[in-house]
Amino acid sequence: EDQVTQSPEALRLQEGESSSLNCSYTVSGLRGLFWYRQDPGKGPEFLFTLYSAGEEKEKERLKATLTKKESFLHITAPKPEDSATYLCAVRLTGGGNKLTFGTGTQLKVEL
Amino acid sequence: DADVTQTPRNRITKTGKRIMLECSQTKGHDRMYWYRQDPGLGLRLIYYSFDVKDINKGEISDGYSVSRQAQAKFSLSLESAIPNQTALYFCATSGGALETQYFGPGTRLLVL
Repeated sequence: EDQVTQSPEALRLQEGESSSLNCSYTVSGLRGLFWYRQDPGKGPEFLFTLYSAGEEKEKERLKATLTKKESFLHITAPKPEDSATYLCAVRLTGGGNKLTFGTGTQLKVEL
Repeated sequence: DADVTQTPRNRITKTGKRIMLECSQTKGHDRMYWYRQDPGLGLRLIYYSFDVKDINKGEISDGYSVSRQAQAKFSLSLESAIPNQTALYFCATSGGALETQYFGPGTRLLVL
């Protein structure tokens, strides 16, 4: 069965304290891994798509990486405005454009 | 203006009532999706449509129906609402070569 697991469920950081969020997947064929940010009461906001192992993408303080089994979202020197839930999703080969989502990591960055 | 809009944003209804959630987009995308989000379960696909004449069930379609009235409009109906349909509902659209999905702001539904 295709599965997407995110860890930790929740993470509390001090401002400037770098860390990483994990998204591990067991799927039959990957055709893209997506990261989204979701603020309370809002819809998910697209961040990155990764397609193949070894690929990396960056945006401001965020950097996403991909291996054959997992993806990491590295947050460098986070600020309070980075507080949000970060969602990972996979798109499978032969699955049209359907996404399978993980349950997310709730990040809180404190002053 | 937002590219993907959902109405209503909040809705309270009673068990057994029929309700409709609406989604409109100005992104010009062909593909549209309905998801529900529950605490601890993540986003789950209810229905999706790849064009006006193409409607497909997702993983949790029981108790729901959809209508694609036009390329830009995709509605989700609950024919007879029940309390376990209380959730956050999101519409999404995708198009182009990359097929990235873009989400609306959501509808918070409470079924009493």
